[in-house]
Amino acid sequence: EADIYQTPRYLVIGTGKKITLECSQTMGHDKMYWYQQDPGMELHLIHYSYGVNSTEKGDLSSESTVSRIRTEHFPLTLESARPSHTSQYLCASRVSGSGAYGYTFGSGTRLTVV
Amino acid sequence: AQRVTQPEKLLSVFKGAPVELKCNYSYSGSPELFWYVQYSRQRLQLLLRHISRESIKGFTADLNKGETSFHLKKPFAQEEDSAMYYCALSGQNAGNMLTFGGGTRLMVKP
Repeated sequence: EADIYQTPRYLVIGTGKKITLECSQTMGHDKMYWYQQDPGMELHLIHYSYGVNSTEKGDLSSESTVSRIRTEHFPLTLESARPSHTSQYLCASRVSGSGAYGYTFGSGTRLTVV
Repeated sequence: AQRVTQPEKLLSVFKGAPVELKCNYSYSGSPELFWYVQYSRQRLQLLLRHISRESIKGFTADLNKGETSFHLKKPFAQEEDSAMYYCALSGQNAGNMLTFGGGTRLMVKP
């Protein structure tokens, strides 16, 4: 089924560990996004990509990094997790020309760093 | 720069009461405005957009360019409306990037 998938759904990890949050979509969308949803539930754009080998930082400064080697895959990596990284991370995608109403969001990864 | 403000973090009403979730925006151009909803343990999903001028699940929203507002309204709230609601803005001069407001949690009490 064409959709956007995020794994894992929940992750509890110790401080200093390296982690990668996975996001994959099977809809052929060229544009992909990562949003951080803080405990107060505000949503902030942290990374986006307009296609393969294209990545940009969003409005909110983040210590995470992203890569886009394949159209369908947009992983987010934290080299050294800290408690301040505890949050929910939402991945989204859309196809060019769909306008802003074409966004599809994943189910999110809830990250807790202890 | 584009900005969306939702002044209420929490709105609590009784079933059957009218609901209005406020949203104000700032944008130097012609924006597209949206309302997204996130039910408990579900994905963020589009509720409605100003261009379509439609009513979804009894909700409506009118874009008021003079007041730069896009308030979400429903005449009679239902318990299943309890959720997190986000107002969002997109502008063509920002590559159709979505900027979200801080969200309003709606609680409908029986």
